[in-house]
Amino acid sequence: AQRVTQPEKLLSVFKGAPVELKCNYSYSGSPELFWYVQYSRQRLQLLLRHISRESIKGFTADLNKGETSFHLKKPFAQEEDSAMYYCALSPAGANSKLTFGKGITLSVRP
Amino acid sequence: DVKVTQSSRYLVKRTGEKVFLECVQDMDHENMFWYRQDPGLGLRLIYFSYDVKMKEKGDIPEGYSVSREKKERFSLILESASTNQTSMYLCASSYAGAVTGELFFGEGSRLTVL
Repeated sequence: AQRVTQPEKLLSVFKGAPVELKCNYSYSGSPELFWYVQYSRQRLQLLLRHISRESIKGFTADLNKGETSFHLKKPFAQEEDSAMYYCALSPAGANSKLTFGKGITLSVRP
Repeated sequence: DVKVTQSSRYLVKRTGEKVFLECVQDMDHENMFWYRQDPGLGLRLIYFSYDVKMKEKGDIPEGYSVSREKKERFSLILESASTNQTSMYLCASSYAGAVTGELFFGEGSRLTVL
């Protein structure tokens, strides 16, 4: 069985500070990892996926298989980054049945 | 743009009532999902469907059933609502075999059971 752990419920930083949202996973096979974001009063949406190795809105995430982690990082936080962030895992090749973590609220203060 | 529409944004029901939550997607997606979103618990999968008339249990199916008679529509049914089913319910859809893991979500249906 797969599991996604987001150890923190809330992260509060000042604008311009670096951000790291932690995500650890447990899965015996080769997983695909994702970060989803939900801004206030908006629907949940995909932020980025590890296979794309892309930077979205200044966020990056690197899959570390040795540490089974997929932490989300941004060097300089902006107020508009304030949102709920969910890490999610899918077994490779599966029909995108995602297992989500419990989520973390990021609050960026001016 | 992919659109996933949940017909009811807010519902208030009484214990024991039968509740229907409807979800429609307009992108011909094969896969559809129902999640429950609770503070501190994240998103938990209730049921999903890979095709018309097909359904599979997710992680927390107890107290729920689903119906998928048409490809674009996926209904969640609470046969006898209970107070512990008060929650935000999210419907999602995706392409079959999508390895990108991109689920498209609806805006959610907030259900309160009194």
